[in-house]
Amino acid sequence: GAGVSQSPSNKVTEKGKDVELRCDPISGHTALYWYRQSLGQGLEFLIYFQGNSAPDKSGLPSDRFSAERTGGSVSTLTIQRTQQEDSAVYLCASSARQGVTDTQYFGPGTRLTVL
Amino acid sequence: RKEVEQDPGPFNVPEGATVAFNCTYSNSASQSFFWYRQDCRKEPKLLMSVYSSGNEDGRFTAQLNRASQYISLLIRDSKLSDSATYLCVVRRSYSSASKIIFGSGTRLSIRP
Repeated sequence: GAGVSQSPSNKVTEKGKDVELRCDPISGHTALYWYRQSLGQGLEFLIYFQGNSAPDKSGLPSDRFSAERTGGSVSTLTIQRTQQEDSAVYLCASSARQGVTDTQYFGPGTRLTVL
Repeated sequence: RKEVEQDPGPFNVPEGATVAFNCTYSNSASQSFFWYRQDCRKEPKLLMSVYSSGNEDGRFTAQLNRASQYISLLIRDSKLSDSATYLCVVRRSYSSASKIIFGSGTRLSIRP
C-alpha cells in the first residue's frame, strides 16, 4: 500500500514569507508526527497528533510554527514569517496507534530552503 | 545534556568487521527503545526494536541495559550496504501522551 507522502518535496522561499507543508499519513494510522532535520544533524521532534488533537506541542520552536490535522488524516505544518534558520528537511511520520511499540513510518520529507 | 546521546562517529571499518554502537539515555522513565537507520538524504527507517531480554535479527543484535541506561547495536560481518547513520530512539509516556526522542545518530562507513 501507499506509504507516507509529503508535499512539496522541495520548497524555496524568501525570508519573511509563510510556507505550508503537507503530510498524508498511511491510511488508518491515528498517530502523526512532525520532525525537522538540519543538515548533518539528528531529528528534532516538533509535534505529534493522536487523531486530530495534539497532546504534545512542546517541540515547536516558536509561535511562528503551527500545525493542524483534520479528519484524522492529512496534516499541515505552517511556518509564518520564515527565517533562514528554518531551513531544514521537515519529516512526517505516522504510526498505527500512539503506543509504546508502534513503528513510525516516515515520509520522504520536504526540503525547505529560506533565502 | 541531551536526553539521548550517541557517539557521532564516523566509524570507518572494513567489510566483514564487527562494529558496535552505544546509546545512553538520561530519563529513567523511558519505556521503549529502537534503532533506526537513515541513508544519506533519505528518511529514517526502523531497523529493530530493542527488548529488555535483547534481540537478534540476522547480523544485528540489540541490547538494553536499564540499570546503566544504555542500549547497544552490534553488527556482525558488516556489508558495504550497512553504511548509513544509525539513530537511537527512546520513547517514554507521561500523562496521556508520550515523547519520542531521537539521538543525533552514529555514522557508519564500511570500506571494501
